[in-house]
Amino acid sequence: GAGVSQSPSNKVTEKGKDVELRCDPISGHTALYWYRQSLGQGLEFLIYFQGNSAPDKSGLPSDRFSAERTGGSVSTLTIQRTQQEDSAVYLCASRVRSGDSYNEQFFGPGTRLTVL
Amino acid sequence: AQSVTQLDSQVPVFEEAPVELRCNYSSSVSVYLFWYVQYPNQGLQLLLKYLSGSTLVKGINGFEAEFNKSQTSFHLRKPSVHISDTAEYFCAVRQKTSYDKVIFGPGTSLSVIP
Repeated sequence: GAGVSQSPSNKVTEKGKDVELRCDPISGHTALYWYRQSLGQGLEFLIYFQGNSAPDKSGLPSDRFSAERTGGSVSTLTIQRTQQEDSAVYLCASRVRSGDSYNEQFFGPGTRLTVL
Repeated sequence: AQSVTQLDSQVPVFEEAPVELRCNYSSSVSVYLFWYVQYPNQGLQLLLKYLSGSTLVKGINGFEAEFNKSQTSFHLRKPSVHISDTAEYFCAVRQKTSYDKVIFGPGTSLSVIP
């Protein structure tokens, strides 16, 4: 497709289980971001990938959170031993990165995670 | 460190009335500034952006924003709102460095009342 896609769109899990959220960025976009949007909150930066550089993981809230990006394309965000406070919408965004000019981020529709 | 403040969490406004959504930021270096809109049950989309040049920026759907460096503000305005403008609006900043992290504000929920 032409846009950023995320799967699943909704995920309900039990406390303590692991979950994997997937993001397919727009083809050719070298930069990929994960954000978390909790109810009534803004977007919380989680992690950023740019090409082959080491990812910026400074926003990951705990060591239960990890992410990888395979082949410079698809990314997976993994949450281990989920807690109720992990319930949120997880948004992925991608963009072209070229020179110093800014290219906008394109957002996916998000994955709504509910931890029971 | 950079941060973004949106003072109004909720803004109700009557249809066809003007609206201003406030955004203030803090940063030790020059920044790029953005407004994103999130319609119900949808992802975010870019409304407008300020990179350089004219401080008055026009975006989609009749919105505009003005960059004020001295007040470190980037308020969003529309002279006449429609019901379809009901959405969440996010202000965001990115430092003019090679670093690509974008910081978002907490958002302002705009409700247009018929």
